[in-house]
Amino acid sequence: NAGVTQTPKFRVLKTGQSMTLLCAQDMNHEYMYWYRQDPGMGLRLIHYSVGEGTTAKGEVPDGYNVSRLKKQNFLLGLESAAPSQTSVYFCASSSLTSRGYNEQFFGPGTRLTVL
Amino acid sequence: GDSVTQMEGPVTLSEEAFLTINCTYTATGYPSLFWYVQYPGEGLQLLLKATKADDKGSNKGFEATYRKETTSFHLEKGSVQVSDSAVYFCALSLPFYNQGGKLIFGQGTELSVKP
Repeated sequence: NAGVTQTPKFRVLKTGQSMTLLCAQDMNHEYMYWYRQDPGMGLRLIHYSVGEGTTAKGEVPDGYNVSRLKKQNFLLGLESAAPSQTSVYFCASSSLTSRGYNEQFFGPGTRLTVL
Repeated sequence: GDSVTQMEGPVTLSEEAFLTINCTYTATGYPSLFWYVQYPGEGLQLLLKATKADDKGSNKGFEATYRKETTSFHLEKGSVQVSDSAVYFCALSLPFYNQGGKLIFGQGTELSVKP
């Protein structure tokens, strides 16, 4: 049981390049999320998914796209990377608990630098 | 809108000292509250949670009480260890129908414990 995994762990891009970050979870969770972490700002939601084939925008979606073709995977794409997208990216997954609260499980993160 | 504010760091303590990290929140409705911990180079791990007013969450010697009257969820530990050095995040979760139940994070408080 690996929980939530992310690939790659590190990446350096040049401005204008594209890339895809992969998140995978083996807990059969319905909900998946992409956050970015910037110094002094906590984590902010980029996009999320409430089930296979569905995605929605979070609070900072510009410059990113996502897809959830399989329940266990959630992909985050950058079509044309910009230096402002230098950040640490975390994927999380969750399922509505029997007590009704949302406990999210996080992956180890991807550190992305855009030059 | 909903938000979380926690005390700024870094906080530096000697081993066996008492720890308090303040966290206050603004939310409509009745959110669940969480403390997450991030050890160097790792993802976020759930430390403790409380789902309703007056609930006390506890784990690994850490405690926090959900205080609705003061909208607070302060983290405390009676005797810190060097191994507690990490960044601590206070967070609240929105209902699942609101942006998939996203977490709203405080900015994080870095704790450094010296021997």
